[in-house]
Parts: sequence; C-alpha cells; structure tokens
Amino acid sequence: QVRLQESGPGLVKPSETLSLTCTVSAGSINTNNYFWTWIRQPPGKGLEWIGNIYYSGSTQYNPSLRGRVTISVDTSKNQFSLKLTSVTAADTAVYYCAREARAYSAYYGMDVWGQGTTVTVSS
Amino acid sequence: DIQMTQSPSSVSASVGDRVTITCRASQDISGWLGWYQQKPGKAPKLLIYAASSLEGGVPSRFSGSGSGTDFTLTISSLQPEDFATYYCQQAYSFPRTFGQGTKVESK
Repeated sequence: QVRLQESGPGLVKPSETLSLTCTVSAGSINTNNYFWTWIRQPPGKGLEWIGNIYYSGSTQYNPSLRGRVTISVDTSKNQFSLKLTSVTAADTAVYYCAREARAYSAYYGMDVWGQGTTVTVSS
Repeated sequence: DIQMTQSPSSVSASVGDRVTITCRASQDISGWLGWYQQKPGKAPKLLIYAASSLEGGVPSRFSGSGSGTDFTLTISSLQPEDFATYYCQQAYSFPRTFGQGTKVESK
C-alpha cells in the first residue's frame, strides 16, 4: 500500500518561500499513469489544487497562484517537492500531497493522500 | 477553469436516510469526476472515480452517477460514520477544480 508523507516547516514568514516535501513509500514515484499532486485547504475552507508533476518532470500549475509555484521530483529519493514564493497570510493552509491515477482514457481519482501538514504564514 | 458547483451546501439527515448530493460542471466533463469524503482533521478519501466507479473498500451504500455536466453522489442508507463533508472534483482539464463541499450533518 503506497503511503505519502508531507514534511517541512510549519511556520513561514511573509514574503518568504514555503518549501514542502512529500515522501512516497511502499511504491515507486517513477511509474507511468500517476500524477504527483499538491492540494491545499485554508482553515475552514474547501480544497484548492496547486499543481502536479509526472515522474518525467512534466508539470501543471494552477494559474491562480500567478507563477509563484514550482513542483519538482527527485526519483532517487522517491520524493516530490513544492516551493511557493512570496507567501502571504492567504497561503496559510493545510497542505496535502496526493497521487492522482489515470491512464490515457480512464480516470482513477486521487486515490492516495498524505495526512496533511499545517503551514502558517506569520511574522 | 471549469467551475464545479455542489448542492446543497449542507444537509441535515438521520441515520438510515437516503442522501443525495448534486455536482454541476460549468462545461461538459464527460465522466472525468471523482467524489471525496473528508472528516474533520483528516485528509480527503476517494469514494467514487470516473463518476460511477466505487473505490476499493468503500461501502456499497455509496454510489455515483451522471455524465456531461450533472453528477450525483448518493448514500443509500446513512450510517453514523458518514457524517462528513463531501467534495466533487473534475479531472477533465487543468487546473483541477473541486466543488465547494457539502456538509452532511446530524438532524
């Protein structure tokens, strides 16, 4: 059973860069048909898709984050990472990593999630 | 971006009730839809993928239907562990988008 675990600082100062890592265990990140995904949830609010990366390094980002996001993958460590620059209080949220499974013509959902990590932006 | 609109935003129900949640997409997404359950302090859990396929280990009282722009999640007989917030999510295009959530509360 594949497991995901987020790690990183729980407190980030305004205007600085938020950096999180998701470690994949009991499975390889270097696999077809999976998008490795970041999602966040501000306190008391709904889910916002941040972006994803394929094992090849191909990425997709949410345009609402205006170019502040970078997602990268390290297949040797079986990890993928999120960097969000110029953070403000609006970036305070629980950040989840997840695996989205799909084949060319079939969709299998975001079937594995990390437990989430709370990041607070405050001075 | 594709907008996903859920209704109702909240529903009060009793154990044993049939509960139906609707999700409407702002454009045709075929069957590229997932449904998730989230309990307080926990990560979302996949219930339904491809609009109507039940994820392994999910009780059969959960079912999904629909295609195109209109989708439904049904809980046939609500159980105590089903009180939670439910989200739909489209996977037709990027960026992925979620509905605003439907909270199922105890009447």
